[in-house]
Amino acid sequence: GAVVSQHPSWVICKSGTSVKIECRSLDFQATTMFWYRQFPKQSLMLMATSNEGSKATYEQGVEKDKFLINHASLTLSTLTVTSAHPEDSSFYICSADQDANLYEQYFGPGTRLTVT
Amino acid sequence: KQEVTQIPAALSVPEGENLVLNCSFTDSAIYNLQWFRQDPGKGLTSLLLIQSSQREQTSGRLNASLDKSSGRSTLYIAASQPGDSATYLCAVAFSGANNLFFGTGTRLTVIP
Repeated sequence: GAVVSQHPSWVICKSGTSVKIECRSLDFQATTMFWYRQFPKQSLMLMATSNEGSKATYEQGVEKDKFLINHASLTLSTLTVTSAHPEDSSFYICSADQDANLYEQYFGPGTRLTVT
Repeated sequence: KQEVTQIPAALSVPEGENLVLNCSFTDSAIYNLQWFRQDPGKGLTSLLLIQSSQREQTSGRLNASLDKSSGRSTLYIAASQPGDSATYLCAVAFSGANNLFFGTGTRLTVIP
């Protein structure tokens, strides 16, 4: 149980375009989903926290107009990178809580974004 | 400021050796601490979760300890194998915070 999926697993896009990443909890309902970014050889940095049906809470330094997060249901959250640039190339990982326990998160397999 | 630090950043050991990975955190008021494994280009695999009230957890060849008073946790890997090669991340849930804080990881290489 407690499986989280992400789609796509990797994506290449041209600079200036937008790309959407999906995060799904497959066998449980997630009140809260988290989006992380990981640059090469670095650790995970929390970008934002999204709660179903409400606006996401962004960490300091993360542009909310560039990284659009939608948490429309208890099993799906999406991250849209708008007007992507090469510096947005990174590994994006989502996680989801179970039973509204923010301290026990289940992680997706990640999405590799490359902006050319 | 709540921070998590892992030392060393990288470690190479010959196959069969026992090894210890270290994690330190700045605030002893934690809810839990978790060790993850991450293979190159992949997501996170949870290895062990230690609740605040616990001192250690074991799973197979892995043993994780927790000392809140000193702000430290160790991950002990017995009889290391080449398949253990990966990056190991420590994550702390500080009490009152609404997210996990990750260390920078230790990149382990087990040499056959």
